[in-house]
Amino acid sequence: GDSVTQMEGPVTLSEEAFLTINCTYTATGYPSLFWYVQYPGEGLQLLLKATKADDKGSNKGFEATYRKETTSFHLEKGSVQVSDSAVYFCALRGSNYKLTFGKGTLLTVNP
Amino acid sequence: GAGVSQSPSNKVTEKGKDVELRCDPISGHTALYWYRQSLGQGLEFLIYFQGNSAPDKSGLPSDRFSAERTGGSVSTLTIQRTQQEDSAVYLCASSLEGGYQPQHFGDGTRLSIL
Repeated sequence: GDSVTQMEGPVTLSEEAFLTINCTYTATGYPSLFWYVQYPGEGLQLLLKATKADDKGSNKGFEATYRKETTSFHLEKGSVQVSDSAVYFCALRGSNYKLTFGKGTLLTVNP
Repeated sequence: GAGVSQSPSNKVTEKGKDVELRCDPISGHTALYWYRQSLGQGLEFLIYFQGNSAPDKSGLPSDRFSAERTGGSVSTLTIQRTQQEDSAVYLCASSLEGGYQPQHFGDGTRLSIL
């Protein structure tokens, strides 16, 4: 079945540091890929998406590129802020429409 | 516009009681999903509704769990004879039709079973 593996946290960075959260997936066919973010005390929010190979999703300075050859969708940001502290979830949506999530990565950014 | 609305936001109940959780999707969204978020299991799919098609119930953990969607809009997730392992945050999401369409989530219902 479909599965998503993302790097275990927690990740702690200083403000303005470079962020990478690794995500790899297993799926049949051609899934759509997503990053969701959950800020403290809030629900899941869509951060960015990519629907086909080589697509790059981007939002709020975050980027991720759909790499079919490596089955990866790594999340990056060049300069993190304290306000980026949250839990980040990588997810895929396969042919059966349900989302399969990774276990989440807690990011803490210190001033 | 209005997002996905869930109620109640918190629910505390005694083991063995039945609970009903409500979800109001974004207007115009034909697809509706329920997920469960727990510390041990992460985010798990429970059930999927799409238009008038039969729902995909493949993620429901036991026959104590059921869900319905009335009039293609509001959905209710019912848990009968609750157990302590049912304690979790229950999330509802909705989307437009199409596999590439993103799912938009509500803030969830935090269910605590005493």
